Amino acid sequence: DSGVTQTPKHLITATGQRVTLRCSPRSGDLSVYWYQQSLDQGLQFLIQYYNGEERAKGNILERFSAQQFPDLHSELNLSSLELGDSALYFCASSPRGDSYNEQFFGPGTRLTVL
Amino acid sequence: DAKTTQPPSMDCAEGRAANLPCNHSTISGNEYVYWYRQIHSQGPQYIIHGLKNNETNEMASLIITEDRKSSTLILPHATLRDTAVYYCIVRVAENDNQFYFGTGTSLTVIP
Repeated sequence: DSGVTQTPKHLITATGQRVTLRCSPRSGDLSVYWYQQSLDQGLQFLIQYYNGEERAKGNILERFSAQQFPDLHSELNLSSLELGDSALYFCASSPRGDSYNEQFFGPGTRLTVL
Repeated sequence: DAKTTQPPSMDCAEGRAANLPCNHSTISGNEYVYWYRQIHSQGPQYIIHGLKNNETNEMASLIITEDRKSSTLILPHATLRDTAVYYCIVRVAENDNQFYFGTGTSLTVIP
């Protein structure tokens, strides 16, 4: 158990809908990272937040957005969902904002878009 | 762009050492090498990281060549629970916090 929690574990929705994925980092960790893992793309970095501020942005679509709240939990919002958005979404946390720290991953949310 | 090259798959007999190679020929002087693994569809798990010296922890050893262009992750006594995809990662740039996971090596430990 990494100490990172993600909810929900599974999510099934339809094309065009909007969903919110939630992540609680390990106690004391200030950075949260979001990754997408699909069968054809592997594990792709989406975005990082550090202490409430966006720190780094990867291959995140404009339809997707994220935020980190004062209690340091984070939410990933996915809108106008397409079939290709079906994937595992992982959240990770680390103590600081730089990548010299190892990242601790949560169990993931499996999103299925029908 | 993963910046690393790993064999797509390897087998290892249970109880033997598993040696997983990684090439990172374009690594720069301030970039660390990280190893993670992913068991089935679970979240990736941190194993070890290093800069230029060899490193060892309770899970594995990391051997980095003197020119830092390649490294080897060693699992000293592989068990069936070590069957996973192993990712070798280098951080790309000074202020780049992205981890590029690449395609990894699928290790199968055989009884």
